[in-house]
Amino acid sequence: QSALTQPRSVSGSPGQSVTISCTGTSSDVGSYNFVSWYQQHPGKAPKLIIYDVSTWPSGVPDRFSGSKSGNTASLTISGLQAEDEADYYCCSYAGRYTWVFGGGTKLTVL
Amino acid sequence: EVQLVESGGGLVQPGGSLRLSCAASGFTFSTYWMNWVRQAPGKGLEWVANMKQDGSERYYMDSVKGRFTISRDNAKNSLYLQMNSLRAEDTAIYYCARAPNSRGWASFDYWGQGNLVIVS
Repeated sequence: QSALTQPRSVSGSPGQSVTISCTGTSSDVGSYNFVSWYQQHPGKAPKLIIYDVSTWPSGVPDRFSGSKSGNTASLTISGLQAEDEADYYCCSYAGRYTWVFGGGTKLTVL
Repeated sequence: EVQLVESGGGLVQPGGSLRLSCAASGFTFSTYWMNWVRQAPGKGLEWVANMKQDGSERYYMDSVKGRFTISRDNAKNSLYLQMNSLRAEDTAIYYCARAPNSRGWASFDYWGQGNLVIVS
């Protein structure tokens, strides 16, 4: 149950796009289309923003998009806004009703 | 409105025990898988355990197997995490999180505010 690998930080200016990668293995990301992404502002609980690789929960803007290729999933945030500054975590189903998260990526909006 | 409210955290000595509770409201608790997810101070999220709707199945991350026990009381709309033989590395904010039914079942759509456990 090793953590998925994410960049520690990314940054972008308002209006730009950024992509956060999430690399796992053939036992988790590579085996299942069950990657989810969470946004966490400081001192707050995580919020689900993408599930099943690329599906938005109700109320999440389509500026957030997800994809997957092989053992790597990605979250792209387009039209960056100041309120997007937060930590982002990927998560993958790892089989046998267990899950594994990424280490988290801090997004800074310049 | 879906609400998950954790309680029971605090300071405990290494080797000690603690029981976390999660009170659920705003949805039919007995029809959802429920989870515990933790976050060490300044660190990332870590899935800890989950339990099926009727309590017939439960799963754990490797490092807590044999020490933590997840349980639920559907009549009280409550989820629990009994933590024994606590170690310093168990220090974290513990979140109660719901897994959606059907679509998105492999994600966590609602989270509690978290409850801090300090093992020291």
